[in-house]
This record gives sequence, structure tokens and C-alpha cells, in this order.
Amino acid sequence: GAVVSQHPSRVICKSGTSVKIECRSLDFQATTMFWYRQFPKKSLMLMATSNEGSKATYEQGVEKDKFLINHASLTLSTLTVTSAHPEDSSFYICSARAWLAGGGETQYFGPGTRLLVL
Amino acid sequence: KQEVTQIPAALSVPEGENLVLNCSFTDSAIYNLQWFRQDPGKGLTSLLLIQSSQREQTSGRLNASLDKSSGRSTLYIAASQPGDSATYLCARQGGSEKLVFGKGTKLTVNP
Repeated sequence: GAVVSQHPSRVICKSGTSVKIECRSLDFQATTMFWYRQFPKKSLMLMATSNEGSKATYEQGVEKDKFLINHASLTLSTLTVTSAHPEDSSFYICSARAWLAGGGETQYFGPGTRLLVL
Repeated sequence: KQEVTQIPAALSVPEGENLVLNCSFTDSAIYNLQWFRQDPGKGLTSLLLIQSSQREQTSGRLNASLDKSSGRSTLYIAASQPGDSATYLCARQGGSEKLVFGKGTKLTVNP
């Protein structure tokens, strides 16, 4: 299957700093990528839809100025957590939309980034 | 509100047992239904995808079914192995491109 990578896999930062997470589709082009957040024992919650060359679409309750998304190329989307606080500590997962050979679509997921804000 | 419910939340079985994981969803207007596996601290691995026109999909020891009328999907795992231990997530995709996930079933297969 298609491969999606995330970098870094784990990051620890001080409160008030900004952290950038990269999501790359390694062997296919993705015009649409998604950013999810997962708390322990909770569902993955969609934060925003990242569209190449245009502004991201944020889900209700997600602050766009807090979570900056840039999708500058067909293989890279970045999520920047600005002025991070301890409550931003979570597991962030990206996915990239891909089209199936027989029709239809699916999403390939990255391995996730564990963020810990001290 | 779109909701996806998975039962049970956790399941522990002895090796070799056949088992069924359940997923229900409130909106029957479904585009596709996917089952994923997530190992601790890791991302998601897609196991099976059932499109709305399909009733089931099989891959090795895994079989997933979809009943849109009742809003249910099941994941059947045959002859379970310790390596099957993980959290299994189901997700529905409606008319939009968004996936809505359940909370998952944490499976433990004991040797």
C-alpha cells in the first residue's frame, strides 16, 4: 500500500513554543490530507482538511490560528501548533487521500507524532 | 450527529479462538466503511474497506461485513493469534470525504 510518513515521531517542548509536524506522501501525490488528534482511549478526531494550494478547512471548535496548516506541495502538509500549552499534548496523526484502482477512495495514515508540552 | 459505536470496548481471548468485533453507525447514508488496526503508540493500518455497494470483504483470516439497513458492520477474525493483539477501529465515510471513527475495541489474544 501507499506510504505516508510523519516527522518527528515524538517531540517534547516547553510551554509557549511552537512545534511543526510534517506529513509526507512518499510514493503518491495527495491533493488532500487530513490532520487528526487522538487522546488516550478516545476516537480519532478530525481537526482539519488540508488542500494543496488553498486554505485548510477546520472542524468546528478547532482554532485555525492555533493550529496552522500549510499544504504547499502535492506530497507535503505541515501542522504547526503555535504557542503550545500542556493541554495540546496529544497524539497527532495525518492521512492522505488516495484513489483506488477499482474506483472509490481511501486514506493512508501516517505513524503519528506524540507531542508532550511541559 | 454522526456517531460510530464499537462494542465491546475491550476483549480478551485465548489463542486460536474465532471472534467478532462489532461496529454500529447512526447514519445509513454511507460511502464506505473501513476497519483499521492500531498498535500502541502507532498510526493506523487499514485492514479492510467495504464500499457501499458491497456486503463484505475478506483478507486472510479477516472478514468484514456491512449491513447498511441496520447500520452495522462486523469484523470477524478467525483462529486468533497473539500477534493480532491491538486496537481495532472502524470508521464510516459519508457523502463528504471525512472519516468518523469509533473509539475502538482493544483486543488481547493470550498465548
